[in-house]
Amino acid sequence: EVQLVESGGNLVQPGGSLRLSCAASGFTFSSHWMTWVRQAPGKGLEWVANIRPDGGERNYVDSLKGRFTISRDNARNSLYLQLNSLRAEDTAVYYCAGGGQLRYWGQGTLVTVSS
Amino acid sequence: QAVVTQEPSLTVSPGGTVTLTCGSSTGAVTSGHYPYWFQQKPGQAPTTLIYDTTYKHSWTPARFSGSLLGGKAALTLSGAQPDDEAEYYCLLSYSGARPVFGGGTKLTVL
Repeated sequence: EVQLVESGGNLVQPGGSLRLSCAASGFTFSSHWMTWVRQAPGKGLEWVANIRPDGGERNYVDSLKGRFTISRDNARNSLYLQLNSLRAEDTAVYYCAGGGQLRYWGQGTLVTVSS
Repeated sequence: QAVVTQEPSLTVSPGGTVTLTCGSSTGAVTSGHYPYWFQQKPGQAPTTLIYDTTYKHSWTPARFSGSLLGGKAALTLSGAQPDDEAEYYCLLSYSGARPVFGGGTKLTVL
């Protein structure tokens, strides 16, 4: 059974940092591009970042302006998203997705940025 | 960044047919935008229905189909069922830029 399980979401103060993780199982993680997508409360989906299977290419939505970093550890079948300088508008459920044609999605992890 | 537009809401009768569209502020949507379609029900993660304009995953019901229509990407639902009531999002890829989601279409089956 394929699973993508996100973790690491939490309540954090503005300016703080978090590291999100996504544990993959049931498919050949190391062969596929992986993506982070977020969804603010009551809003639509926003593409955040993706990373090549070997980690050699990383792409980000322009609006993040270098505050987020995507990475992966193929030996651990894990995807990560480092979130720095967090703002209230970063409050969202963060989903990881991938496995070829975005076929698999996790259930998401909630990040709340508030004082 | 390009803006991707979808109908905010649509209603279809049970058993009826409806077409959702996905346009781009940069011009006509083509197969080169590799359109995706996702379904999301309240409180759930999205699921991918269609990729690369027309291709379905193994779990995509046959009543859903993707196409290009009048310069837009389109998702057609033929024979709507109550379980199809959901939010539908499209995603377009842009050469040299990042993929962009549409704002979503809330589909009501009534």
